[in-house]
Amino acid sequence: KNEVEQSPQNLTAQEGEFITINCSYSVGISALHWLQQHPGGGIVSLFMLSSGKKKHGRLIATINIQEKHSSLHITASHPRDSAVYICASVYNFNKFYFGSGTKLNVKP
Amino acid sequence: KAGVTQTPRYLIKTRGQQVTLSCSPISGHRSVSWYQQTPGQGLQFLFEYFSETQRNKGNFPGRFSGRQFSNSRSEMNVSTLELGDSALYLCASSLVGDTYNEQFFGPGTRLTVL
Repeated sequence: KNEVEQSPQNLTAQEGEFITINCSYSVGISALHWLQQHPGGGIVSLFMLSSGKKKHGRLIATINIQEKHSSLHITASHPRDSAVYICASVYNFNKFYFGSGTKLNVKP
Repeated sequence: KAGVTQTPRYLIKTRGQQVTLSCSPISGHRSVSWYQQTPGQGLQFLFEYFSETQRNKGNFPGRFSGRQFSNSRSEMNVSTLELGDSALYLCASSLVGDTYNEQFFGPGTRLTVL
């Protein structure tokens, strides 16, 4: 059973657009991570959230613990943002449950 | 500081064989986690090691095993390979394996089972 749901599965945007990716989880968590995976497989951790909001450059991540929902926003999207974005809920000792990923394609 | 390294990067095996994959964490990191990624199932947690002890395990059969050495390097082993074991195997390290530690991922080992 997949305990983490992501939407949309695929997203195409024009350069400069504001992008939102959503993530819902079904049970209480210790933290939620947003990951970025580029073609070739390399994964980079973007954010780790347990409450509130975090910002790094053009990326913003928010989490609502009561609603069990998190969003990743990309402002002023750029073709180099094209990647798969994965949210993951984490429980004790790094036991991760992953969403199925959102494949983002930003066109110039 | 060197990142997480995994060896080998690519591997081709046949059904029934066994395979050992290696992961060297970032210096000073004591927690190593392993993940399997397939097109059908996505990313799935395999197990996590801290100070040579397995603290958590995902829902995989006993053919999947691992260990961690005193220098924090980790290996995972898959015995009696099946076609469905073809996947990208990723390891990640973190400082102490606390839930709130950032994880750093290796480049992965792509295993193909023929």
